[in-house]
Amino acid sequence: KAGVTQTPRYLIKTRGQQVTLSCSPISGHRSVSWYQQTPGQGLQFLFEYFSETQRNKGNFPGRFSGRQFSNSRSEMNVSTLELGDSALYLCASSLRGATNEKLFFGSGTQLSVL
Amino acid sequence: QQPVQSPQAVILREGEDAVINCSSSKALYSVHWYRQKHGEAPVFLMILLKGGEQKGHEKISASFNEKKQQSSLYLTASQLSYSGTYFCGTVSNTGKLIFGQGTTLQVKP
Repeated sequence: KAGVTQTPRYLIKTRGQQVTLSCSPISGHRSVSWYQQTPGQGLQFLFEYFSETQRNKGNFPGRFSGRQFSNSRSEMNVSTLELGDSALYLCASSLRGATNEKLFFGSGTQLSVL
Repeated sequence: QQPVQSPQAVILREGEDAVINCSSSKALYSVHWYRQKHGEAPVFLMILLKGGEQKGHEKISASFNEKKQQSSLYLTASQLSYSGTYFCGTVSNTGKLIFGQGTTLQVKP
């Protein structure tokens, strides 16, 4: 069974640009969550999608958005990039996103904003 | 609100024990523990639900005190393979899984 796949693995952008990151969950998983990881800050929750609907959202500005497709694949978009957006973006999938389910993480997309 | 983990970093010798603590200011439904090795994705260790149960995974176990809104991860007779960053994640009434800032564990021969 294939794991969670994130593309691209690395991205370099400049300030003001926008970027789209992609996440393919494990087959059969309907919940996809996104996290931003920076040194010292741990994993910051961005949002969670279930059956194409955003079910939860973290405390990030509106420049961060996402969506989920009918096949459960998810995309995350960041517009008007800032230097502080440089981070590892991780997505994780689970069957239903229930609070007692384990998450399966992808390897992440390393975004560098210059 | 992000749970607080302590200590921030631990250095051990093989065979030594360690405890990592996780505390929250919110009432919790569950606590999750994950380990991330350098350059890799976080990997699930265990989930603890309300009820104060203790769970185990190899020589790694954890407890959950819902009254104190705290969880502790116990690593017994540590091995080199235990090195990595440990994250606790907490679920409150918001339904979001919020992770702490992580505890870096280094096990030396």
